[in-house]
Order: sequence, then C-alpha cells, then structure tokens
Amino acid sequence: GQNIDQPTEMTATEGAIVQINCTYQTSGFNGLFWYQQHAGEAPTFLSYNVLDGLEEKGRFSSFLSRSKGYSYLLLKELQMKDSASYLCAVRDHRDDKIIFGKGTRLHILP
Amino acid sequence: EAGVTQFPSHSVIEKGQTVTLRCDPISGHDNLYWYRRVMGKEIKFLLHFVKESKQDESGMPNNRFLAERTGGTYSTLKVQPAELEDSGVYFCASSQDTGLAYFEQYFGPGTRLTVT
Repeated sequence: GQNIDQPTEMTATEGAIVQINCTYQTSGFNGLFWYQQHAGEAPTFLSYNVLDGLEEKGRFSSFLSRSKGYSYLLLKELQMKDSASYLCAVRDHRDDKIIFGKGTRLHILP
Repeated sequence: EAGVTQFPSHSVIEKGQTVTLRCDPISGHDNLYWYRRVMGKEIKFLLHFVKESKQDESGMPNNRFLAERTGGTYSTLKVQPAELEDSGVYFCASSQDTGLAYFEQYFGPGTRLTVT
C-alpha cells in the first residue's frame, strides 16, 4: 500500500525555525517532493530529494532518509508569508506518479 | 513565460449536469497531468498525458470522467453526469519530457467544482 503521513497543523513564531516531518510507505520510490500551497493557489515546488541527506535552498532545507522512509522540511527565519500548507509527496519509480500527503497547515504568529 | 492556466476558476453545477474543465499547460511541455483534491483529503492523481496520448489513466474514478488532449496542447476534463462526490478542486500540472530525469511539475491554480 501507499501511505504518507504528516502533521495536520503546526504553529510557529515569526523569525523562528520550524521542522515539518513526513513519513512514507510506498511500494516504489523515486524521490520525495515538498510543495508549498497558499490558500486558493497552485502548489509551488520547493524541493526534491532522491538521495539521502540534506538539501539546502535559502531559508528552506529538506532532508531525506530512504531507509527510514522519513523526510523533513526545515524553514528558518520564518516570515508571515510562510503561512501556507506544505505538501509532502512521493514519486513512484514504476510509473512516475506523484502521491501526495494531506499537507501540513503552518500558521505563523507575529 | 505564462504558467499553467485553468478555466473556469470556479464552477457550481447541479447533480446530473455536465461540466468541462480546461487546462492550458506551459508551452512546450509534453506532459500534462490532472489531479483532484476532495475536501479534507490529499491531492490525488487522475491521469497523465504525453502529448496527445494517455500515458496513465489509472486514477480516473469512473467512466463519468473523460479527458482529452487533442493536438497535444490544451486538455479538457469532462464530468458527465456530475455527482455530489465529484466536488473538489481539480488541478492541472505540466512538465517537460521526463525520460530518466526529473522535471518539475508546474501546477495551475485549480478549478473549484461544487456539485449541488
């Protein structure tokens, strides 16, 4: 079966750091994505990890451990505009299909 | 460069009616995907076009849904007849030819469909 788990909601303070975790069980794996989605807008690509380790891109970093079926998205120096849903998604190597988690709604407090 | 566009942005129809959603991918993108997000659930894959051919339509819920991509440019997704459970946000995404490498899927803003 295929299952992607991430917290439903998180709250953090402006200027702080937050880590959003994602665990997955999929029958095929060919990479893990993080997308950001503001309410009523399109999901936008943040990161793609296919090898174990940390990928850093500005204030955002994404980590992957394939053996543990685990990833996290780290957001530093939080800004109010970072209030959004963050979607963890896994790419299946057999058919390139992307399987999404339900998303984590992040609330940033001033 | 224009992004992925979808029309309409919102649609409210009655059960039993027909609705056609349109997606215009980024110019030059051979791959076009349809996804759907039902309230409270995750975004789910519906189907994948490569140019005008259906590469994978395993996610289509039933035969009330018909997707086309004539000429390999824009795509339409028709729901006929619509049922209450079809309500949700329908996303379209496009990407370049994947081959063995990953190319980012660019999402459109979605069409919010409400069936009453």
